[in-house]
Amino acid sequence: EVQMVESGGGLVQPGGSLRLSCAASGFTFSNCWMMWIRQAPGKGLEWVAKIKQDGSEKYYVDSVKGRFTISRDNAKNSLYLQMNSLRVEDTAVYYCRGVTGEFDCWGQGTPVTVSS
Amino acid sequence: DVVMTQSPLSLPVTLGQPASISCRSSQSLVSGDGNTYLSWFHQRPGQSPRRLIYKVSNRGSGVPDRFSGSGSGTDFTLKISRVEAEDVGVYYCAQGTHWPGTFGQGTRLEIK
Repeated sequence: EVQMVESGGGLVQPGGSLRLSCAASGFTFSNCWMMWIRQAPGKGLEWVAKIKQDGSEKYYVDSVKGRFTISRDNAKNSLYLQMNSLRVEDTAVYYCRGVTGEFDCWGQGTPVTVSS
Repeated sequence: DVVMTQSPLSLPVTLGQPASISCRSSQSLVSGDGNTYLSWFHQRPGQSPRRLIYKVSNRGSGVPDRFSGSGSGTDFTLKISRVEAEDVGVYYCAQGTHWPGTFGQGTRLEIK
């Protein structure tokens, strides 16, 4: 069964850090572009970051550049998002997503709340 | 960033009737490799999004053939030939040609 399971979300104060993880199974993880996409409460979808199959290319939306770091471990079929200097506006459900042409898979999402 | 504009934002439809959603981009979505990376997603309440269509008109695995996508350049359309109850939710177009990828505001489909 194709599956992606996020973890690591939670409540954090402004300026704090969190590390999100996404464990993939049931497909060839190393073939996929992997990305993090977030959805603020009651809002639409926003790309956060993406990483190439071998990790050689990484892209970030401007609002998280310098604060967030995307990484992957193909040996562990896992994707990560290190989030530092968190802001209230980073509050959202964070989804991991894997894509390769015809294949597209999303996790169930992990909620991140940044509040004092 | 490329702005994706959907219309309508709310779409009440009678069961069994067709539905259509328009999506326009602020710049051409034709990539340097000749592909157009325009996708459509469906999100049911409380669920993750699911991709329906990729590269304008290709249906994803397991997507019913009542869903079809068309368009080119900056103008795209998602059509549902006969709406079923399970089609309720929010539909998003998204472009992956230019970084950062961007989504439309979403179109909420409801049953009349």
